[in-house]
Amino acid sequence: QQPVQSPQAVILREGEDAVINCSSSKALYSVHWYRQKHGEAPVFLMILLKGGEQKGHEKISASFNEKKQQSSLYLTASQLSYSGTYFCGTAQGGSEKLVFGKGTKLTVNP
Amino acid sequence: GAGVSQSPRYKVAKRGQDVALRCDPISGHVSLFWYQQALGQGPEFLTYFQNEAQLDKSGLPSDRFFAERPEGSVSTLKIQRTQQEDSAVYLCASSFRGAKLFFGSGTQLSVL
Repeated sequence: QQPVQSPQAVILREGEDAVINCSSSKALYSVHWYRQKHGEAPVFLMILLKGGEQKGHEKISASFNEKKQQSSLYLTASQLSYSGTYFCGTAQGGSEKLVFGKGTKLTVNP
Repeated sequence: GAGVSQSPRYKVAKRGQDVALRCDPISGHVSLFWYQQALGQGPEFLTYFQNEAQLDKSGLPSDRFFAERPEGSVSTLKIQRTQQEDSAVYLCASSFRGAKLFFGSGTQLSVL
């Protein structure tokens, strides 16, 4: 039931792009993306509902492929502030319960 | 309040002691969630409430874990007879009916 995230870790130079993937073996109702910096609480980035929509937040966008039960988070022209661990959280059957993946640690270096 | 408030921020317990962790959600948020986060891992679902009703407690690891939200606002997560494997950060989050979760800063529990 826990979604699988890949890759586990990414190291970028400032200005480079990255893609983080999240997949589930179960039919999904929605996918949430959060970013957590070391020692801090997770912070909401965006929600995607079933329907294959794509959303954007600054230079961060995401897609949701309902048929494949996958979501991808796209970070373009990365900034130092993008460093942190990214978690996808998935909900099934209209339940509010979110199950989170193990996370992808993103490091952006100057 | 301005955000989700959790207390205490840090808790050290001797093995076998009981602990109570408090969560004060954002005013007006109907839903409240508890998660356990081990070092380097993602948040693991424990339980959630809609108002005072506990709708899902499937993630509670054992009957030593108990959560309540008697008036539909403040919630308490109680762990009885703590064990070393209970050491983790306990995160509380609130939301308004399935929208984005707002997380508190968490309570870091260390069981010695």
